[in-house]
Amino acid sequence: ETGVTQTPRHLVMGMTNKKSLKCEQHLGHNAMYWYKQSAKKPLELMFVYNFKEQTENNSVPSRFSPECPNSSHLFLHLHTLQPEDSALYLCASSLRTEEGDEQFFGPGTRLTVL
Amino acid sequence: AQKVTQAQTEISVVEKEDVTLDCVYETRDTTYYLFWYKQPPSGELVFLIRRNSFDEQNEISGRYSWNFQKSTSSFNFTITASQVVDSAVYFCALSPTIYNQGGKLIFGQGTELSVKP
Repeated sequence: ETGVTQTPRHLVMGMTNKKSLKCEQHLGHNAMYWYKQSAKKPLELMFVYNFKEQTENNSVPSRFSPECPNSSHLFLHLHTLQPEDSALYLCASSLRTEEGDEQFFGPGTRLTVL
Repeated sequence: AQKVTQAQTEISVVEKEDVTLDCVYETRDTTYYLFWYKQPPSGELVFLIRRNSFDEQNEISGRYSWNFQKSTSSFNFTITASQVVDSAVYFCALSPTIYNQGGKLIFGQGTELSVKP
């Protein structure tokens, strides 16, 4: 595998379910990101991890819980979601969290909350 | 305020036409970076170009060219002789410096380009 991979690619869940999204990067990067992309809206940054430490939480509701066990893996744990949380969730990585560092994106997980 | 505006929501052209995607940004920083990404139907954002605010030289890469003008805070993207494979959503993004919080990229709303055969 190369680049940034995300699993699953598609997920349908009920509001009472608990599920997790997984992201893995094979680029030797130290920073990883979660973005939410809703229809007709710009990409919204959710979380940033730098060397496994969370450096940004962009006022994300607690029903989204990130986990970064090492610099190559990033998870997004989901519970008690709402229908408005349906979106494309994109993971990205970069060498550092410096301004100007190019972010490499995964293909995303298309989440539908019923 | 840090903001990126892509006023064109959707553009439709016929193959071989030239097309320009507009991007206007706002920032108080004197040093910043600008990006363009392409998002094909598969969903993955593909990096196209990065520009430092001190480098106003226009850039050409094959059929792609970028026009950076600090005086008008614009970073426009032109595709020459468009092809069907260019159909995608294109995002312009800003990476500020002084006000940056951990590698933040501020995205525009995207322009959906449809190239018809």
